[in-house]
Amino acid sequence: DQQVKQNSPSLSVQEGRISILNCDYTNSMFDYFLWYKKYPAEGPTFLISISSIKDKNEDGRFTVFLNKSAKHLSLHIVPSQPGDSAVYFCAATQSNQFYFGTGTSLTVIP
Amino acid sequence: DAGVTQSPTHLIKTRGQQVTLRCSPKSGHDTVSWYQQALGQGPQFIFQYYEEEERQRGNFPDRFSGHQFPNYSSELNVNALLLGDSALYLCASSAGLIPYEQYFGPGTRLTVT
Repeated sequence: DQQVKQNSPSLSVQEGRISILNCDYTNSMFDYFLWYKKYPAEGPTFLISISSIKDKNEDGRFTVFLNKSAKHLSLHIVPSQPGDSAVYFCAATQSNQFYFGTGTSLTVIP
Repeated sequence: DAGVTQSPTHLIKTRGQQVTLRCSPKSGHDTVSWYQQALGQGPQFIFQYYEEEERQRGNFPDRFSGHQFPNYSSELNVNALLLGDSALYLCASSAGLIPYEQYFGPGTRLTVT
């Protein structure tokens, strides 16, 4: 049973525009949410996280929004750059166990 | 400062064999978690080691076992390999059991024929 879902396998965005990656979850007991970025032949790289008690966390061009009532998480990248092209995974934790989504492949077009 | 390292990079095994994968955590990290990532899927949590003990375990059979050494490095062992065990195996390290950011290694690509 997939507790964390990323329903968009891919996304294409023009350079300079906003990229919005979405993630839905089913378990209301998750206490922490994270986004990872993955390039080919590399392991996922931590990007940004948010505690379940917050609704927004910002770090430079990256902002994560959490809507607990909708069990929805999103990552905003503004402005998008070609170097942002990668696969993005959302993840959630409960009791130190991590649950990952299936990933969204982002392509930023120059 | 070396990040998380894993060995070997690639491995080919035959069904029924046993395999051992190795992981060295990032300097200063004492917690190691292992994940299996099948093609087109997200990483699936196998187990986590802290203070040389298995602290958490995902939904994987007992054929998957592990070990953590006093220097915090870790091994993942898989017995009686099945074709379905073919995947990328990722190791991640973190500081303590607090669910902060994990740092992932590049993974070991296991192919079972």
